[in-house]
Amino acid sequence: GDSVTQMEGPVTLSEEACLTINCTYTATGYPSLFWYVQYPGEGLQLLLKATKADDKGSNKGFEATYRKETTSFHLEKGSVQVSDSAVYFCALSPYSSASKIIFGSGTRLSIRP
Amino acid sequence: NAGVTQTPKFRVLKTGQSMTLLCAQDMNHEYMYWYRQDPGMGLRLIHYSVGEGTTAKGEVPDGYNVSRLKKQNFLLGLESAAPSQTSVYFCASSPNQGGKTNQPQHFGDGTRLSIL
Repeated sequence: GDSVTQMEGPVTLSEEACLTINCTYTATGYPSLFWYVQYPGEGLQLLLKATKADDKGSNKGFEATYRKETTSFHLEKGSVQVSDSAVYFCALSPYSSASKIIFGSGTRLSIRP
Repeated sequence: NAGVTQTPKFRVLKTGQSMTLLCAQDMNHEYMYWYRQDPGMGLRLIHYSVGEGTTAKGEVPDGYNVSRLKKQNFLLGLESAAPSQTSVYFCASSPNQGGKTNQPQHFGDGTRLSIL
């Protein structure tokens, strides 16, 4: 079945470091791909999305490119801030079931001042 | 601009007790979902609804029931709570997909439930 695999955390970085959180997926057809972010004590918020191959989603300095050939959607940011500390979830919406989203297990990111 | 509102935010139950979690959305969304979030397991779909009066099972439906009597509300019930149901529960909603897969879900802030 469809699934999402993302790198396990926690990930700890210093402020202004580069960030990559790996995400790969298994799905039939052409799913839509998402990154959600969860700040402490809050629900998930959409960070960015991409709906077809080679699309690049971007928001708040974060980027991710939909790579069909490698079935990947890695999250990147060139210079992280303390305020980026949160849990990040990679997710996909299957082509065959538009009403559902399948989430990865989440990656906790901590940024040191 | 409330979005998705969940009540209560915290609750402690004893094994065998029952309770209902309420989710309300003011965005006129057709689809609503209930998830549970457990450490290291991401979010798992319990039940979902694609419209008023309809519900469907998700990945982990056992021990839970749901109702969608009004479009804006989606209730999650625990008939006889068990310690394994200790978790954080999230409600989400999204607009009618219209056959598309690119509509994100909007989440509430969660309900932290402990079963003793």
